[in-house]
Amino acid sequence: QKEVEQNSGPLSVPEGAIASLNCTYSDRGSQSFFWYRQYSGKSPELIMSIYSNGDKEDGRFTAQLNKASQYVSLLIRDSQPSDSATYLCAVGGATNKLIFGTGTLLAVQP
Amino acid sequence: GAVVSQHPSRVICKSGTSVKIECRSLDFQATTMFWYRQFPKQSLMLMATSNEGSKATYEQGVEKDKFLINHASLTLSTLTVTSAHPEDSSFYICSASHDRGHGNEKLFFGSGTQLSVL
Repeated sequence: QKEVEQNSGPLSVPEGAIASLNCTYSDRGSQSFFWYRQYSGKSPELIMSIYSNGDKEDGRFTAQLNKASQYVSLLIRDSQPSDSATYLCAVGGATNKLIFGTGTLLAVQP
Repeated sequence: GAVVSQHPSRVICKSGTSVKIECRSLDFQATTMFWYRQFPKQSLMLMATSNEGSKATYEQGVEKDKFLINHASLTLSTLTVTSAHPEDSSFYICSASHDRGHGNEKLFFGSGTQLSVL
């Protein structure tokens, strides 16, 4: 079983719609959860971080964490073509070592 | 946000040569830096944790004699790929931990180095 799992996609949504990206993790001791955006050939860029159960909103982005279900998601409202990228879910434990999922490719159609 | 600079961005070298990649934290001190490798369409795989002033900690399966890591100062870590071979061709990315206080510690990534070994 992979430690951090994501659907590889591609997830295709029309411009202006809500994109929903999901991630599950296997280590119940995980303490920190991150969403990174990665454009092709570029390094990851931090989008959101979340540490406790519930929702965390930042502009058009909302991260949701459910530790009981070992599930973290990212919602992108009013999706734009510029949001098209691979979104990486990363999970951390007691140290700063992060385990990354394989990423979900999001394609926002104009 | 915090800035992590990584150089070079792209390297093409012949098989058997060594390649050095630098990672600098520009506006903060990083006691810990991480080195990742990413093959096409795959996730980031942690190679090693670089600690300032001490030996790096390598992940299982990563050859420490092949991937030499030096973290000589709080703002600079280097990764040297020794005797590179075509199978070492990959995207190498460093990251540095930035503690902004109140338990708000985050990782910031360098821009990555695309290594192509001919």
